[in-house]
Amino acid sequence: DAKTTQPPSMDCAEGRAANLPCNHSTISGNEYVYWYRQIHSQGPQYIIHGLKNNETNEMASLIITEDRKSSTLILPHATLRDTAVYYCIVVFTGANSKLTFGKGITLSVRP
Amino acid sequence: KAGVTQTPRYLIKTRGQQVTLSCSPISGHRSVSWYQQTPGQGLQFLFEYFSETQRNKGNFPGRFSGRQFSNSRSEMNVSTLELGDSALYLCASSLTYPNTEAFFGQGTRLTVV
Repeated sequence: DAKTTQPPSMDCAEGRAANLPCNHSTISGNEYVYWYRQIHSQGPQYIIHGLKNNETNEMASLIITEDRKSSTLILPHATLRDTAVYYCIVVFTGANSKLTFGKGITLSVRP
Repeated sequence: KAGVTQTPRYLIKTRGQQVTLSCSPISGHRSVSWYQQTPGQGLQFLFEYFSETQRNKGNFPGRFSGRQFSNSRSEMNVSTLELGDSALYLCASSLTYPNTEAFFGQGTRLTVV
């Protein structure tokens, strides 16, 4: 699986949009970008995934650049409950694929 | 519907002992994966089961094993426990294989003394 690069941490104000970047410059054409988050003392939670088109669900939006070498997860109105470690994962969803978690980015939402 | 259930939540074992952890997936989910989480190594993939067959395995020694039953429930076993096996063990389930859109349980916190 291609590796991802995320800054170690960032913060944002409650109610503002949180834009979490991820670089995946070696991504292959058939690899998806997945985002998970892990709130302290809980198991990871699936957020969203995409291949090349932008995706949106009730939790977040995923913007993937045209060359697919980077992506941004957007939490449109961050709340204190969104404070967590966010993992960007690139994975080929075929046989023997697996989620390979890196260090992630720690998002701190401040009041 | 109920989420992924892992039992027990906390466990203390002595070096050299063995331990069995249990995972009940979300109803209807047929794939179960296991992960180990430690402060030093982060989240690491152990193995994935689908239809009672191990489909994928991470880079862990043979002391780590698992199985899946016909009702999709899964167990993992660690034999000859070492201090370094102290970790949070997480189970995740999904409808199909591979388990990439996964729902995780709360984990079992294993402490080896």
